[in-house]
Amino acid sequence: GAVVSQHPSWVICKSGTSVKIECRSLDFQATTMFWYRQFPKQSLMLMATSNEGSKATYEQGVEKDKFLINHASLTLSTLTVTSAHPEDSSFYICSARPGGKNIQYFGAGTRLSVL
Amino acid sequence: AQKVTQAQTEISVVEKEDVTLDCVYETRDTTYYLFWYKQPPSGELVFLIRRNSFDEQNEISGRYSWNFQKSTSSFNFTITASQVVDSAVYFCALSSGYSTLTFGKGTMLLVSP
Repeated sequence: GAVVSQHPSWVICKSGTSVKIECRSLDFQATTMFWYRQFPKQSLMLMATSNEGSKATYEQGVEKDKFLINHASLTLSTLTVTSAHPEDSSFYICSARPGGKNIQYFGAGTRLSVL
Repeated sequence: AQKVTQAQTEISVVEKEDVTLDCVYETRDTTYYLFWYKQPPSGELVFLIRRNSFDEQNEISGRYSWNFQKSTSSFNFTITASQVVDSAVYFCALSSGYSTLTFGKGTMLLVSP
């Protein structure tokens, strides 16, 4: 139980294009999902918290127009990196928290490389 | 403000050795949760354990055990008889209520044959 699927696992794109990453909770309903960014050999940095049906809450310093988050259902959240640039290259990882349970279950992450 | 400190950046052991990963936390809240996650080279964070602040009972799960000491604000993780498959980065994390997770910087464990 508590499986979170993240897709794609790896994406290479040209500078200026947009990339969408999906995060799905497969066997539970996630009222809250989280998006993190992780640089090599560093810890996870929370980018935003998304609650189903409402706007995401972004952490300080994270551009909401750059990183669009949609949490349209209790099992799906998407992160769109708009007009990606090489400095956006990173490992993005999502997590989902079941309603009433304070545990975050993580996806496998997406490695984004912007050329 | 909350803080999690994992002072050990990297630990190298030989298979079958026991190893303890340290975690020290800071919080002003009386109700909080502590977590350990494992991140193997594949990247996915694997949930290992959650402990709430009112439960100081130590826990054992197979070769894994956790020692929660409120008096020293520590939540240490011990792997007994380590195996190569235990090689990963291990993160300790803290949350108060349903707040966001505060992660430590992680400890990379390398287990060699």
